[in-house]
Parts: sequence; C-alpha cells; structure tokens
Amino acid sequence: SQQGEEDPQALSIQEGENATMNCSYKTSINNLQWYRQNSGRGLVHLILIRSNEREKHSGRLRVTLDTSKKSSSLLITASRAADTASYFCATDGGAQKLVFGQGTRLTINP
Amino acid sequence: GAGVSQTPSNKVTEKGKYVELRCDPISGHTALYWYRQSLGQGPEFLIYFQGTGAADDSGLPNDRFFAVRPEGSVSTLKIQRTERGDSAVYLCASSLWSGAGELFFGEGSRLTVL
Repeated sequence: SQQGEEDPQALSIQEGENATMNCSYKTSINNLQWYRQNSGRGLVHLILIRSNEREKHSGRLRVTLDTSKKSSSLLITASRAADTASYFCATDGGAQKLVFGQGTRLTINP
Repeated sequence: GAGVSQTPSNKVTEKGKYVELRCDPISGHTALYWYRQSLGQGPEFLIYFQGTGAADDSGLPNDRFFAVRPEGSVSTLKIQRTERGDSAVYLCASSLWSGAGELFFGEGSRLTVL
C-alpha cells in the first residue's frame, strides 16, 4: 500500500521557473525522503528531512515538513531541462522500511 | 562494484514459469530491500533483509514469492508459477543498516510475463 500522495500527479513548466511538488502522508514518521527517477532508471536519493526539522536545503532543492498537517513540499528553483523526471516522497515510520508515494512527473520545457 | 547491481535487466517469460532475479548490493551494506514498481506507480515494498535474515516480508504478495540472502550480501528474489500480473520492474536497494536513512537503488529488473 502507498503511504504518501503526491500532488500534482504531473507538472509541466518552462525552464528557469520554479517547480513545487507536495506530499501528504497518513501516519507518524521518523523522517521523510525525496527521490528522483529518470525514465527507465533506478531511484536516486535527493534529500532527507527528520521529523524534528521544518526546512532543509540542498543546492537548488528546498524541502519543508509540517508534521501537524502530515505534509511535505519539494521546491526546485531555477529548473533545467535535466530536472525532467519523476519525483517520489518516501516516509520512514520507524518500521525500518520506506513507503513511497505515487510520484509527480515533472517535465521542464526548454 | 560501486553501486547496486541487478541482473537480468530484462526478463521475458511465459505464464507458469519460474523466475529468479538477482541483486548485488553495495559492499558493506547490511540492509537490502526489494521493491516492485508498476508502470506509473511508486515503488511498493516487498521485503527487506538485515544481514542474512528477512526482517520484514510483509509486502510479499503471496507464497509464490520468496527471497533469500544466504551470506548477507547477494540476494535472490524467486517467483514461482509466474502470472501476467507479476509483470513489473523489480527494484533492489541497499543501505548501511536498516533505518540508516538513504537507500541506494539499482537500475531494476524488468519482468514481463506473457
């Protein structure tokens, strides 16, 4: 079963614009992670935010976490064509395994 | 190797056949995970190992699916009497230990059951 729900399911923007993806989850978590998947490839870890953190940055990525609303957002600033991929949130609820959402398909138009 | 290696990358089989998918994790990683991903969906947890033992196999869909990791390194996912609904990409991931956070994924094994 899927824990997280990403919103939107698909997003298409122009190169240089910012892309925001949201993730909602149902149960309490130890941490939440974001992964990226290029078409036909494996997943690549982007960033991890712990339950006691509210915001985290890594390069052009900014992640926020609101545990009271059970939601997270991933912001990619100054998007590039190479950012085209699917993005997944994954939650660690303490059971030592990650539960992934359905993903957001991001398309960056040159 | 430097990353998680999965073989075969593609497997086409007929309904009812037996299939084995292999995963070679990053050296030194004690935790190993199997996920299944259908088209347009997120990865779905199947099973994970901490060392040689299956710590959580709650995601295996039925008793046709079985996985082993006899020496705490390479793992094999075994599917008996394959069905068309088993068609998916099977992803393997490893981490330093369970709960360590970041998972390192392989490229996956695409299984097609005709």
